[in-house]
Amino acid sequence: DVKVTQSSRYLVKRTGEKVFLECVQDMDHENMFWYRQDPGLGLRLIYFSYDVKMKEKGDIPEGYSVSREKKERFSLILESTSTNQTSMYLCVCRGLAGELFFGEGSRLTVL
Amino acid sequence: GQQVMQIPQYQHVQEGEDFTTYCNSSTTLSNIQWYKQRPGGHPVFLIQLVKSGEVKKQKRLTFQFGEAKKNSSLHITATQTTDVGTYFCAGPDNDMRFGAGTRLTVKP
Repeated sequence: DVKVTQSSRYLVKRTGEKVFLECVQDMDHENMFWYRQDPGLGLRLIYFSYDVKMKEKGDIPEGYSVSREKKERFSLILESTSTNQTSMYLCVCRGLAGELFFGEGSRLTVL
Repeated sequence: GQQVMQIPQYQHVQEGEDFTTYCNSSTTLSNIQWYKQRPGGHPVFLIQLVKSGEVKKQKRLTFQFGEAKKNSSLHITATQTTDVGTYFCAGPDNDMRFGAGTRLTVKP
């Protein structure tokens, strides 16, 4: 199985601060995704990447950007956080058979 | 991207009762995947269905893919408290967008 590691499990930030969420996978897979999960709203796709330096917007990209400089690393960036970005952020890698492997999640609270 | 619609949103059952969640798509899916998320955890892959009319079983869980490949279901027979969690379907045709999930609670 693919191991997906998210650098921060819990963060508390103030409005306007920058947040950098890092995600690393250990299997050299190409497809990686960032979701946010909120109660009652399920998993919403923010951005995804199918290769190095490639990125595509998901359903809710506003207020976010991503970076994929190396295949194993897919970072989510919040340039200037707002309270409505308080959420659980999940990094995901797709395995060879198509199944998704999730990181443990990063719970961000913006005050 | 196209979403898969999942119902019901919530289901509360008595332990021992059966449970079913459904996913529906307006377009034909090449395949569909099911995931389970335990409370406080992250989604974990359960199964992938590829063929029209496919039925797969994992112990008390039965997964079906419709003949038209536009719908799928997950059925749990005789639920147990360990089945508690949220069940999601997802389709790769729409860049891995998930259904809203069905949250299952089980009363002992």
